[in-house]
Amino acid sequence: DGGITQSPKYLFRKEGQNVTLSCEQNLNHDAMYWYRQDPGQGLRLIYYSQIVNDFQKGDIAEGYSVSREKKESFPLTVTSAQKNPTAFYLCASGRLGEQYFGPGTRLTVT
Amino acid sequence: QKEVEQNSGPLSVPEGAIASLNCTYSDRGSQSFFWYRQYSGKSPELIMFIYSNGDKEDGRFTAQLNKASQYVSLLIRDSQPSDSATYLCAVNRSGNTGKLIFGQGTTLQVKP
Repeated sequence: DGGITQSPKYLFRKEGQNVTLSCEQNLNHDAMYWYRQDPGQGLRLIYYSQIVNDFQKGDIAEGYSVSREKKESFPLTVTSAQKNPTAFYLCASGRLGEQYFGPGTRLTVT
Repeated sequence: QKEVEQNSGPLSVPEGAIASLNCTYSDRGSQSFFWYRQYSGKSPELIMFIYSNGDKEDGRFTAQLNKASQYVSLLIRDSQPSDSATYLCAVNRSGNTGKLIFGQGTTLQVKP
């Protein structure tokens, strides 16, 4: 089955801890994206990568970091510097502008 | 002005009616337009995309694009309760970066 997987589905952390969210795709897409969604709001772009070993900041990159060492993988680290990390995190991959989303990770930081 | 604007709703229609969802965008250079459906608690699912002015039909869904008016819409014919969801409009940023700008979404309720 081709698709995008994200793990874990739910994640709970204490303030001050870094946490890494996994995103893997086997669709052979060059581009991958990370978004966050807050209740009642649209999606906001955190980081994106159009090719292996290259990535760009999105609109709300502060407090986040990424890597793109393999075409299939684009992990997101939420650092302790992110002031409001509790959110629904969505990974997407795509080409020609079309983006396809994974199931998401709900992160709760207390 | 938001880059992509949608009425948050909720839009309520009876089962079997036509639901009309609207979206306006500010970047005249945008070339690609997408509609995503998001069920509560789930991730968005791409249901339609349109690149050229006019209508594009896929089953019960029709996307309409008017670049001169910077307006894109989604019509759902014969609405079903299973169509109840939030519909997100997304527009690519000019410059062919592959980046999308999303509206806040319109919540559709189809009542039996």
